[in-house]
Amino acid sequence: KQEVTQIPAALSVPEGENLVLNCSFTDSAIYNLQWFRQDPGKGLTSLLLIQSSQREQTSGRLNASLDKSSGRSTLYIAASQPGDSATYLCAVGGNQFYFGTGTSLTVIP
Amino acid sequence: NAGVTQTPKFQVLKTGQSMTLQCAQDMNHNSMYWYRQDPGMGLRLIYYSASEGTTDKGEVPNGYNVSRLNKREFSLRLESAAPSQTSVYFCASSPRTGAGNTIYFGEGSWLTVV
Repeated sequence: KQEVTQIPAALSVPEGENLVLNCSFTDSAIYNLQWFRQDPGKGLTSLLLIQSSQREQTSGRLNASLDKSSGRSTLYIAASQPGDSATYLCAVGGNQFYFGTGTSLTVIP
Repeated sequence: NAGVTQTPKFQVLKTGQSMTLQCAQDMNHNSMYWYRQDPGMGLRLIYYSASEGTTDKGEVPNGYNVSRLNKREFSLRLESAAPSQTSVYFCASSPRTGAGNTIYFGEGSWLTVV
């Protein structure tokens, strides 16, 4: 069974700082990896999808990388803003999607 | 642009009561999913339907049943609710299972069993 781990569980940074969120998984036989954002009391919003053949994807201030061989992905957020405060989850896609427990990010004004 | 719609948003049940969570998607997706989210546990798959007419168990199916009513709708039923089923339930859909898919989520249903 695929195990997905996200470290750290919580992160607090001052506004403007660049930061990296980590996601690791145990089975490298994946189709894709997806990063989500979850605001309190809300559903999950997809941020970036990386296919297994890709190394990275970028959207605005977000950059996600994937290293299948080492079972790792990172989400890089540039110039963080208070509006980035949320929980970030990664999901590994095979025939099913397996989720990490998330990193709760707080950006302090 | 509704996406994935699930009802109800909030529900309080007494132990032993039954209820059905409804989910509908308007994106013509083949695959639909029910997850539960608990603190410290992440999202866990309860049941999924890879395509209309098929359903399969996920990681935590005990105490639940599902129905893929048609391509749009996928319901989750609790036949005899237990306090351990207190959770946030998310319905999701994707074009298909497997490669290249983005999964889309509903807003969640908060269920409390007392």
